[in-house]
Amino acid sequence: NAGVTQTPKFQVLKTGQSMTLQCAQDMNHNSMYWYRQDPGMGLRLIYYSASEGTTDKGEVPNGYNVSRLNKREFSLRLESAAPSQTSVYFCASSVGLAGQQFFGPGTRLTVL
Amino acid sequence: AQSVTQLDSQVPVFEEAPVELRCNYSSSVSVYLFWYVQYPNQGLQLLLKYLSGSTLVKGINGFEAEFNKSQTSFHLRKPSVHISDTAEYFCAVSSFGNEKLTFGTGTRLTIIP
Repeated sequence: NAGVTQTPKFQVLKTGQSMTLQCAQDMNHNSMYWYRQDPGMGLRLIYYSASEGTTDKGEVPNGYNVSRLNKREFSLRLESAAPSQTSVYFCASSVGLAGQQFFGPGTRLTVL
Repeated sequence: AQSVTQLDSQVPVFEEAPVELRCNYSSSVSVYLFWYVQYPNQGLQLLLKYLSGSTLVKGINGFEAEFNKSQTSFHLRKPSVHISDTAEYFCAVSSFGNEKLTFGTGTRLTIIP
């Protein structure tokens, strides 16, 4: 039981490049989330998926897109990376929206 | 709208001393409250949660928190800290009708030997 896994662990991009962050969970959870963590700002919700087939914007969705590929997988795409997107990105999952969330180990992204 | 305020960004404490990390929330409806811990270079893991019932909640690693509705607080306490408690601690709230978690900005706990 791996819990929530994220790939890659580290990534460096140049401004304007695109990439997809992958997330998978093996706990049969319905809800999945993408957060970004910046110093002094806590975690901010980018997008979430309450259930398979649905996605909704969170607090800071601009510059990102998501895909809930199936119940297990939830990916985050940066179409044209900007230095302001330099951050640590966390994926999480929960049984339902109000439940305890389980977090992945994070992806540290630097945009030059 | 719901919000969380963690009043202290950094808390230094001597080893074996008690600690309290403060958290206040704002919400107009019933709330669910959480404390998460993040060890260096790791993801977040749940310390404890309040969903309903007893206002004193016990969590892992000897931590506990008390839900105080009148003061809209959910402070985290530990009677005696260890070096291994060095981490960042996040308070979070969700509420009936707005179940997405809202996180505070975090408190960095540093244990002084």
